[in-house]
Amino acid sequence: QQQVKQSPQSLIVQKGGISIINCAYENTAFDYFPWYQQFPGKGPALLIAIRPDVSEKKEGRFTISFNKSAKQFSLHIMDSQPGDSATYFCAASKGSNYQLIWGAGTKLIIKP
Amino acid sequence: NAGVTQTPKFRILKIGQSMTLQCTQDMNHNYMYWYRQDPGMGLKLIYYSVGAGITDKGEVPNGYNVSRSTTEDFPLRLELAAPSQTSVYFCASQTGGSGNTIYFGEGSWLTVV
Repeated sequence: QQQVKQSPQSLIVQKGGISIINCAYENTAFDYFPWYQQFPGKGPALLIAIRPDVSEKKEGRFTISFNKSAKQFSLHIMDSQPGDSATYFCAASKGSNYQLIWGAGTKLIIKP
Repeated sequence: NAGVTQTPKFRILKIGQSMTLQCTQDMNHNYMYWYRQDPGMGLKLIYYSVGAGITDKGEVPNGYNVSRSTTEDFPLRLELAAPSQTSVYFCASQTGGSGNTIYFGEGSWLTVV
């Protein structure tokens, strides 16, 4: 019940296309859902995050869509660029528990 | 602002050797974490600390030890290195609790042969 399941494991998208990464969770107590981006040889860095009181959050070309009833959330990257090639992690936490439960990651490759 | 600094960046250890991965942060964060990331896998929490003098085990603590004598430093000790400890290790820090950004170091690549 503590798991966050992320898919796909890897994804190849043409430049200019839309990249979509999905995550599903079981624990309805989760109330914070961030996405982290990791470039090769670097540590992960926060990209965008959402709380379940909204269904969507957009920052530039990056959008989180949140479906509370389905217990799913997804990252959409519009107009994907080669510079977006990285590994993306979804995560979740609940209440005062600061520890994040991490998805397994998605390696995204944007082809020029 | 240096953020989270880890040393060394790369290290090769022989089976049975011990070593310490150093981590320091200059953001005055109370919470600090050690994760390991195996190739193609997600992040697994080894140990964490919510303040100086307070540490606790994460998901995969066996074979490791930590200490937190100051707010800034959170070293990770590997005792009797085993090939299964070959991994990339990330130190991270966070202010406050849930919903606050976790800041990661750049990682330490460890190979045990």
